[in-house]
Amino acid sequence: DIQMTQSPSILSASVGDRVTITCRASQDISTWLAWYQQKPGKAPNLLIYKASALQGGVPSRFRGSGSGTEFTLTITSLQPDDFATYYCLQYSSYWTFGQGTNLEIK
Amino acid sequence: QIQLVQSGPEVKKPGASVKLSCKASGYSFSSHGISWVRQAPGQGPEWMGWINVYNGDTNYAQNFQGRVTMTTDTSTSTAYMELRNLKSDDTAVYFCARVAGLLASLGPWGRGTLVSVSP
Repeated sequence: DIQMTQSPSILSASVGDRVTITCRASQDISTWLAWYQQKPGKAPNLLIYKASALQGGVPSRFRGSGSGTEFTLTITSLQPDDFATYYCLQYSSYWTFGQGTNLEIK
Repeated sequence: QIQLVQSGPEVKKPGASVKLSCKASGYSFSSHGISWVRQAPGQGPEWMGWINVYNGDTNYAQNFQGRVTMTTDTSTSTAYMELRNLKSDDTAVYFCARVAGLLASLGPWGRGTLVSVSP
């Protein structure tokens, strides 16, 4: 099974900051990686697929990059609505989520 | 628009079974798969398995093999997930999500069904 290691688990930032979240795969997953945002009591919401493709309707301040085993989600200029929990998901071999990053207001 | 409407909350005792439903609309049900994902309180999502609606093939995560069954009813565009021999740590919100197939991300998602397991 492919394991996903996501870091950091908690990230404190302010509105306007640029932040980066990292996911590492236990084996090469090419670009079969997605990023999700989740708010309390809601289902995860797809932000990025295929490592760097922006899902329709998602603001362009969300950027994904990487391939192989290392991936990043960057949010440029944080907005109040962005404080949430973020998960990566590999779908190269079935599906595995990262442990999540709780993005909180500093 | 694409919608996945899940059944209501369940309260079960340890050892019991639960069968959840997920009714799809707004797309060709048989052309996609359905994945089930659960999320325990304060934890991240955990993929449980998926069913290829077109041919009924299933793949279950190792943690659930032998205890879970996923089925569909194409006449009503509804997917079902049955989990047997429930334990207290099965308490979680259970989501269904559309999936185009292998090598596809998950989404859209249902709103989730809370399953509480308590003596």
